[in-house]
Amino acid sequence: DTGVSQNPRHKITKRGQNVTFRCDPISEHNRLYWYRQTLGQGPEFLTYFQNEAQLEKSRLLSDRFSAERPKGSFSTLEIQRTEQGDSAMYLCASSFPVAGPTDTQYFGPGTRLTVL
Amino acid sequence: QKEVEQNSGPLSVPEGAIASLNCTYSDRVSQSFFWYRQYSGKSPELIMSIYSNGDKEDGRFTAQLNKASQYVSLLIRDSQPSDSATYLCAVVMEYGNKLVFGAGTILRVKS
Repeated sequence: DTGVSQNPRHKITKRGQNVTFRCDPISEHNRLYWYRQTLGQGPEFLTYFQNEAQLEKSRLLSDRFSAERPKGSFSTLEIQRTEQGDSAMYLCASSFPVAGPTDTQYFGPGTRLTVL
Repeated sequence: QKEVEQNSGPLSVPEGAIASLNCTYSDRVSQSFFWYRQYSGKSPELIMSIYSNGDKEDGRFTAQLNKASQYVSLLIRDSQPSDSATYLCAVVMEYGNKLVFGAGTILRVKS
């Protein structure tokens, strides 16, 4: 499978615990994005990397959230001191720069987080 | 005003009919527009991208863009029950890469 992969696919945690998700992009894609989706809503942008550089962060990304992409390959998203409001699907997408207006993002299967 | 707006539906069409899904956006300088399909419990799957005014066809799907009216639509011809899903409109608001999504339109194709 050469698509975007995410692990774990499901995570149940208790409020106050820390969780970490991993995303492996399509191998030649140097751009990587994190989004969050709650029920009945479209995905909301969280952050974006080009290679190892984090180029943009949403105001949604509170100080409890941190993302890294240390070697420009896989990325991790950590949520500290989880709250029930963090329950959502966390989606990772990757893309490769093209000559057109913008590149096309391909999504992984997502990690569904439930905070009890 | 939301940045990207879609009718939440559900939109119900009979099998074999044309389904028409609409999306409006607020930022006049938006350059890139995408339609994604999302089945329940799954992640978004790209259907089409469109960048220029007019129509773009790919199989049973046609995307239409009107930048003057800030409007983008998706037509699905010969709708099949397997097309039943949520259709997400996504826009890149400026020269960048962040996708801004609408809340999606639920499509139900009845056999």
